[in-house]
Amino acid sequence: SQTIHQWPATLVQPVGSPLSLECTVEGTSNPNLYWYRQAAGRGLQLLFYSIGIDQISSEVPQNLSASRPQDRQFILSSKKLLLSDSGFYLCAWTPVSLSYEQYFGPGTRLTVT
Amino acid sequence: QKEVEQDPGPLSVPEGAIVSLNCTYSNSAFQYFMWYRQYSRKGPELLMYTYSSGNKEDGRFTAQVDKSSKYISLFIRDSQPSDSATYLCAIGGGSNYKLTFGKGTLLTVNP
Repeated sequence: SQTIHQWPATLVQPVGSPLSLECTVEGTSNPNLYWYRQAAGRGLQLLFYSIGIDQISSEVPQNLSASRPQDRQFILSSKKLLLSDSGFYLCAWTPVSLSYEQYFGPGTRLTVT
Repeated sequence: QKEVEQDPGPLSVPEGAIVSLNCTYSNSAFQYFMWYRQYSRKGPELLMYTYSSGNKEDGRFTAQVDKSSKYISLFIRDSQPSDSATYLCAIGGGSNYKLTFGKGTLLTVNP
């Protein structure tokens, strides 16, 4: 069966520090991958999505970036964190054959101090 | 007009009640309709998935889509305290494989 992992589970980082969040999917190949941020009162905000290993699309211009070094691995990064980057970061995947059914990971709670 | 609108609640009901959760959407091209359940500090869990119009039932949960009104609903029968969570609707369409989410409705089922 397929599983999705995210780490770390929680993170406290000072303003201006770098960030690297990792997401890995097991038990499937060539998934669509997504990064979301969930802030209180603002719902789920799509940050990046990747349809295929060679394509990453950005939804919101900001100081975050995403990379997909392997088929089932999705990385969210920042060179310098802002206070406004605090939130709950969620990775999701979709089997290619089931285009819209997104399955979420457990999330990473980031606090920027 | 926002693409997906969902009443944030909160909604509080007694155990055993029938719960109705709703979303409206603006883009008639949407064809895929989902409901997610999210417990506090956890990732959302896919509950129901409907393509195009009609009803879908799974145990105590029923999802309805009315494309003419651009209105989707989730009904929970015989609600339980374990149903207490935030419920998110999500809608998709086109070839970009993206979902647009409502902001979620916080539901509390009181024993």
